[in-house]
Amino acid sequence: EDQVTQSPEALRLQEGESSSLNCSYTVSGLRGLFWYRQDPGKGPEFLFTLYSAGEEKEKERLKATLTKKESFLHITAPKPEDSATYLCAVQAGGSYKLIFGSGTRLLVRP
Amino acid sequence: GAVVSQHPSWVICKSGTSVKIECRSLDFQATTMFWYRQFPKQSLMLMATSNEGSKATYEQGVEKDKFLINHASLTLSTLTVTSAHPEDSSFYICSARITETGLHSGNTIYFGEGSWLTVV
Repeated sequence: EDQVTQSPEALRLQEGESSSLNCSYTVSGLRGLFWYRQDPGKGPEFLFTLYSAGEEKEKERLKATLTKKESFLHITAPKPEDSATYLCAVQAGGSYKLIFGSGTRLLVRP
Repeated sequence: GAVVSQHPSWVICKSGTSVKIECRSLDFQATTMFWYRQFPKQSLMLMATSNEGSKATYEQGVEKDKFLINHASLTLSTLTVTSAHPEDSSFYICSARITETGLHSGNTIYFGEGSWLTVV
């Protein structure tokens, strides 16, 4: 069965304190791995799609990497506005539907 | 990025009535759209996959007669909650798939802003 596990469940950082969020996956035939940001009461906001091991993508203070078993979302020098829930999801096999992890709630304190 | 719009953002309806939520892809055509449900502090639960011009594919445990999905055009999918009950109160989110071309061809899925449904 395809599975996505995110850790930690919650993370508190001081402004400027860099860290990484983990997304481990077990799927049969990875089609793509997606990262989203979700603010309370809103729909997920697209961040990155990664397709193959070794791929990396960056956007402002965020950098996503992918291996054959997991993905990391690195946050460099975070700011309070980076506080949100970060969701990881995979597409597997011949399906386009996303299988989501439970998310990591990030709180960045000023 | 591409824009997916949902309407209404929030709706209150009486128990036993039906309510329709619209999902539109504003600047691209989407042959595939998805409908999710999200409970407080939980992740997204896929309800069904909506394909333009054909019947929706429902996930196990989702009542297709209660949650009617129509994808009549390449830019519009609708979710109708029939005979709504208080337990149907939730945050409903749609998403649409856009196909990318070029060196790293693949696909990206964009989400709408979500619709809050409260059944009283």
